[in-house]
Amino acid sequence: AQKITQTQPGMFVQEKEAVTLDCTYDTSDPSYGLFWYKQPSSGEMIFLIYQGSYDQQNATEGRYSLNFQKARKSANLVISASQLGDSAMYFCAMRDPNRDDKIIFGKGTRLHILP
Amino acid sequence: NAGVTQTPKFQVLKTGQSMTLQCAQDMNHEYMSWYRQDPGMGLRLIHYSVGAGITDQGEVPNGYNVSRSTTEDFPLRLLSAAPSQTSVYFCASNQGGSEAFFGQGTRLTVV
Repeated sequence: AQKITQTQPGMFVQEKEAVTLDCTYDTSDPSYGLFWYKQPSSGEMIFLIYQGSYDQQNATEGRYSLNFQKARKSANLVISASQLGDSAMYFCAMRDPNRDDKIIFGKGTRLHILP
Repeated sequence: NAGVTQTPKFQVLKTGQSMTLQCAQDMNHEYMSWYRQDPGMGLRLIHYSVGAGITDQGEVPNGYNVSRSTTEDFPLRLLSAAPSQTSVYFCASNQGGSEAFFGQGTRLTVV
């Protein structure tokens, strides 16, 4: 069965430092997609970055990059030069096109950026 | 740009009451889904639909019904609310391999 695991319930990071949020996934299907979402205290879900299982290069979007290690089933989010506004809950998610395109989420990591 | 619209934003119900959470999207997405978010549990899939007239159960479907009569609308019904259904509910839509677009969420309290 599909599963997303985020092992860090909370993290504290000094402003301007780089941050790595861990995500591992489990699927037996060769084709899938991986997402990261940000949820600030206001509650909305903000899409950050996407990685397809067949993509040859790691995805990047501005200060966000996804460290995709397919053999280890790992899709860690890296935030460079963290800012106070990065304080939020972060969710890793996976889409399986072989299972009706369902998107399932991990339990999230709450990131606190310290000034 | 409306995107995904959820109503209401807040709701308080008494145990045993019924209600419908509304969700509409204007992006012509085939796929729509409902999640609930509880502290420490992330987002859990309640029900989803791959197109008009087609619905299926997610991880936590008990106590909820859905229907999809049009591409645009995907309401979630609570037939007899229970305190365990106190949660934040999100509706989302996506098309093919795209990311999911979320509504603003509904904070539901059952007393």
